[in-house]
Amino acid sequence: NAGVTQTPKFRILKIGQSMTLQCTQDMNHNYMYWYRQDPGMGLKLIYYSVGAGITDKGEVPNGYNVSRSTTEDFPLRLELAAPSQTSVYFCAGETTPGGQETQYFGPGTRLLVL
Amino acid sequence: KNQVEQSPQSLIILEGKNCTLQCNYTVSPFSNLRWYKQDTGRGPVSLTIMTFSENTKSNGRYTATLDADTKQSSLHITASQLSDSASYICVVSPPRGGAGNMLTFGGGTRLMVKP
Repeated sequence: NAGVTQTPKFRILKIGQSMTLQCTQDMNHNYMYWYRQDPGMGLKLIYYSVGAGITDKGEVPNGYNVSRSTTEDFPLRLELAAPSQTSVYFCAGETTPGGQETQYFGPGTRLLVL
Repeated sequence: KNQVEQSPQSLIILEGKNCTLQCNYTVSPFSNLRWYKQDTGRGPVSLTIMTFSENTKSNGRYTATLDADTKQSSLHITASQLSDSASYICVVSPPRGGAGNMLTFGGGTRLMVKP
């Protein structure tokens, strides 16, 4: 299994540009998450999904959109990039939250908005 | 508001020494408490997971403890190695089906092990 994969690894955007961060998992996770991690800070939840066709906002959803057309894919869309969106973005998957289950994280996408 | 506070923010130790990282949380009730290791430039990787009824869990040289009464957890690293240099993140999970299954992440402790 490849686990949770993310592309691209690094991207520079100009203010106002748009892009899609890709996330794919082959671990049959029902739950998927998008986080951002600013330097020295904890991860903050942007959006999450409990299954195909179902998404919901997390703590910091403004400026982002997601879709979950399949179980495997959970792309994150930035429509009008702003400098405040400079961060490292992590996608994660989880089969069933709680108990002894854990999240599996992708390697991250580093985004710089200039 | 649910919070997870970690201390210290950063720590430098010599190779071979032991260390203990602390985590205080206000999330209640909770389903489980996790410790993750995050190497620079990588995603977090799970070290231990403890449910509210467990008070200790080991994974090799890593031992996590949990005191649900005082809402404190610690991660003890024994005989540190250079590869232990990383950030260690404490994460508390709400009960299954609660609050959108959103986790509360601590800010992490950055550990540097020097030769």
